[in-house]
Amino acid sequence: DGGITQSPKYLFRKEGQNVTLSCEQNLNHDAMYWYRQDPGQGLRLIYYSQIVNDFQKGDIAEGYSVSREKKESFPLTVTSAQKNPTAFYLCASSTDKRYEQYFGPGTRLTVT
Amino acid sequence: GEDVEQSLFLSVREGDSSVINCTYTDSSSTYLYWYKQEPGAGLQLLTYIFSNMDMKQDQRLTVLLNKKDKHLSLRIADTQTGDSAIYFCAEVSGGYNKLIFGAGTRLAVHP
Repeated sequence: DGGITQSPKYLFRKEGQNVTLSCEQNLNHDAMYWYRQDPGQGLRLIYYSQIVNDFQKGDIAEGYSVSREKKESFPLTVTSAQKNPTAFYLCASSTDKRYEQYFGPGTRLTVT
Repeated sequence: GEDVEQSLFLSVREGDSSVINCTYTDSSSTYLYWYKQEPGAGLQLLTYIFSNMDMKQDQRLTVLLNKKDKHLSLRIADTQTGDSAIYFCAEVSGGYNKLIFGAGTRLAVHP
């Protein structure tokens, strides 16, 4: 059964700690994305990767880092430099056919 | 720059039709999409329309595209309580594989 998985669903961290969110896909998609969603707001693009070992900053990359060592995996690290990290984080992947993106279930990160 | 705008809230009675509107700015967009997000979940692709189409129907969903006015709408016939969610429209940006999302329209269905 193909899809995108994100883990964990809920994550709690203390301020000043780095935390890594997992995103895995078995859809054989080349492109992967990370978005941040705040209450009552739309999606803001953090980073995206079109191919293995390559990624680009999105609109709000400051305080975040990513890697793309495998086609299936695109982990996101929220660093202590991110001033307001509490949010809902969504991972997506897409094929170049119609450019539609498929989303994982999301990870809700709470930093206190 | 690229921007997608939606009204933030829509309330309808169960059984009525819902119409969610969206305006976009990139006239070169090839595809436009509608996504649904239920509370605490990811986004689910509902439907898409290619830019050379005016209308697309898929069961209870009808998408209308007015390219001249850069206006996109999603009509849900016979709206049910299970349709209560946030609906996002999105356009393909000029960059490869990037989607620009609206802020989302929260649809509330009441008896």
